[in-house]
Amino acid sequence: EADIYQTPRYLVIGTGKKITLECSQTMGHDKMYWYQQDPGMELHLIHYSYGVNSTEKGDLSSESTVSRIRTEHFPLTLESARPSHTSQYLCASSEFWRGQETQYFGPGTRLLVL
Amino acid sequence: AQTVTQSQPEMSVQEAETVTLSCTYDTSESDYYLFWYKQPPSRQMILVIRQEAYKQQNATENRFSVNFQKAAKSFSLKISDSQLGDAAMYFCAYISGAGSYQLTFGKGTKLSVIP
Repeated sequence: EADIYQTPRYLVIGTGKKITLECSQTMGHDKMYWYQQDPGMELHLIHYSYGVNSTEKGDLSSESTVSRIRTEHFPLTLESARPSHTSQYLCASSEFWRGQETQYFGPGTRLLVL
Repeated sequence: AQTVTQSQPEMSVQEAETVTLSCTYDTSESDYYLFWYKQPPSRQMILVIRQEAYKQQNATENRFSVNFQKAAKSFSLKISDSQLGDAAMYFCAYISGAGSYQLTFGKGTKLSVIP
């Protein structure tokens, strides 16, 4: 398994709270990603980063924000959590392989907003 | 836009037997890459196998192999000698050639392994 870590693994929080989901990798990968996955469903990209100080939104609209101040660290923040944010959030980083990136995933954070 | 279809929401296999999971995709591009990921219950998603579209030879990784049919846009995963630890959700994924960031996932196939 890849060296990519996410904390917390599980989070139950009340509506209106600010939360930050942590993601870090020790592989020196430049590119990192955040996905949202509802139970039993496919993954949808919400943010990605090509490197330090580079962040872009993915195809799935999200009220979350991200930052990339250090190569190894790519946190995701929700300023005011709502029940609609309840989901699993997966972080990934990628390595270049034969012309394209291969993504490796962290263990995920399961978020429940009450 | 590219789409990935996994037509089998659930499958089961007897331990030590062989099972094939199907995946089809729709694209107009000639340069792309395909992946199979495994997501065990409450555990990390891991890469199982990957294939470049420009390669005719099917990728293999130990008990896992693919049947890549480019003209048919099909990318099935064969698991030989199934083990209890193979029970998981399996996702097929597609990405365009160099420069693309967007991995497109299928909806997944839940594989159960019967002892």
